[in-house]
Amino acid sequence: EVQLVESGGDLVQPGGSLRLSCAASGFTFNSYVMSWVRQAPGKGLEWVSAISGSGGTTFYADSVKGRFTISRDNSENTLYLQMNSLTAEDTAIYYCAKAAYYYDSSGYYPFGGRGTLVTVSS
Amino acid sequence: IQLTQSPSFLSASVGDRVTITCRASQGISSYLAWYQQKPGKAPKLLIYAASTMQSGVPSRFSGSGSGTEFTLTISSLQPEDFATYYCQQLNSYPYSFGQGTKLEIK
Repeated sequence: EVQLVESGGDLVQPGGSLRLSCAASGFTFNSYVMSWVRQAPGKGLEWVSAISGSGGTTFYADSVKGRFTISRDNSENTLYLQMNSLTAEDTAIYYCAKAAYYYDSSGYYPFGGRGTLVTVSS
Repeated sequence: IQLTQSPSFLSASVGDRVTITCRASQGISSYLAWYQQKPGKAPKLLIYAASTMQSGVPSRFSGSGSGTEFTLTISSLQPEDFATYYCQQLNSYPYSFGQGTKLEIK
């Protein structure tokens, strides 16, 4: 069974940094594009970032480009999101997600079950 | 690429047929997915490639469209279908989601 478990969310002050992790199991991790999607409280889904199976190619939403860095450790089956220069607008539940199939345009299945909450506030 | 869903809110009854539309600001071929999200839960993939049903999704869900206009249809609403639905374009990065359609019980 495919499982994705996010962690690392916390309360952080504006301008601070945080690193999120997503532990993956139940599939060949290095064969799939992995992504982060966030959801501000009471709001819709926002695509954040994606990384190729090898880790060599990354993509970012304009809202986080230059501040967030996605990475992966294929030996540990773990996805990361390093978040710097955080603002209140980054407050959200962050979900990691696996490409449903071997091509990244196939949608995301599954998402992490719970997500991890990042709160940016002084 | 901007995605606009309509309506944003929809009130319907069990057994109704409902349709949600997603319009893209530019052509995205068939690179569109639909998700269902229930309160407090992660989104769940329903349809990808505009019209291909994800394994395990009930057949009352169907998707259609290409280019800039897409639809998600639920043929006969069941109580468990009341949720929020999102479209997502996967034609080009940065990927994007529609604003969501909240389906409520009438």
